[in-house]
Amino acid sequence: DGGITQSPKYLFRKEGQNVTLSCEQNLNHDAMYWYRQDPGQGLRLIYYSQIVNDFQKGDIAEGYSVSREKKESFPLTVTSAQKNPTAFYLCASSITNRGQNSPLHFGNGTRLTVT
Amino acid sequence: DAKTTQPNSMESNEEEPVHLPCNHSTISGTDYIHWYRQLPSQGPEYVIHGLTSNVNNRMASLAIAEDRKSSTLILHRATLRDAAVYYCILGVIYNQGGKLIFGQGTELSVKP
Repeated sequence: DGGITQSPKYLFRKEGQNVTLSCEQNLNHDAMYWYRQDPGQGLRLIYYSQIVNDFQKGDIAEGYSVSREKKESFPLTVTSAQKNPTAFYLCASSITNRGQNSPLHFGNGTRLTVT
Repeated sequence: DAKTTQPNSMESNEEEPVHLPCNHSTISGTDYIHWYRQLPSQGPEYVIHGLTSNVNNRMASLAIAEDRKSSTLILHRATLRDAAVYYCILGVIYNQGGKLIFGQGTELSVKP
């Protein structure tokens, strides 16, 4: 089955620690995205990548970093500089980055809790 | 950023049609209208999208107003599994690519 795998489903960290969230896709999609969702809110774009070895900041990139060394993988690091890291993190992919006309396929998310 | 406005919640009866409204009065000519739905603790699921003409697929229909300032997602026969948060989203051009701008969504409940 093709899809997007995010791991782990739940993640707990102490304040001041960096943490990396995994996202892998086997859909052969060029574009990948990271969104953040807070309770009762819509999704906000953190970073996206149109192609391997390239990525762009989204609307709320501060305190986050990404890499795209392989087409299948787009890990997100939540750094200690992120002031409110506790949230539900969603990874997505699309065939191309004609994002205004390109359906996204989402993973089932990682819920990060930082105390 | 272009925005969408949806009712916070709606109720429907099982096996009846559901019409979910969305206003996007600041939409530009190149913005696409997308609908996704999300169950608790899951990622959003794509439902349908369109630009100007009405669209149909196996999940739903999308009716777009002639002036494109509003649209309606139509579920033809609601089932209990259709209970979810439905997001009306604009797909906009962004940094030589594109992005989806999510709003607050409509929480749909379906009564047996």
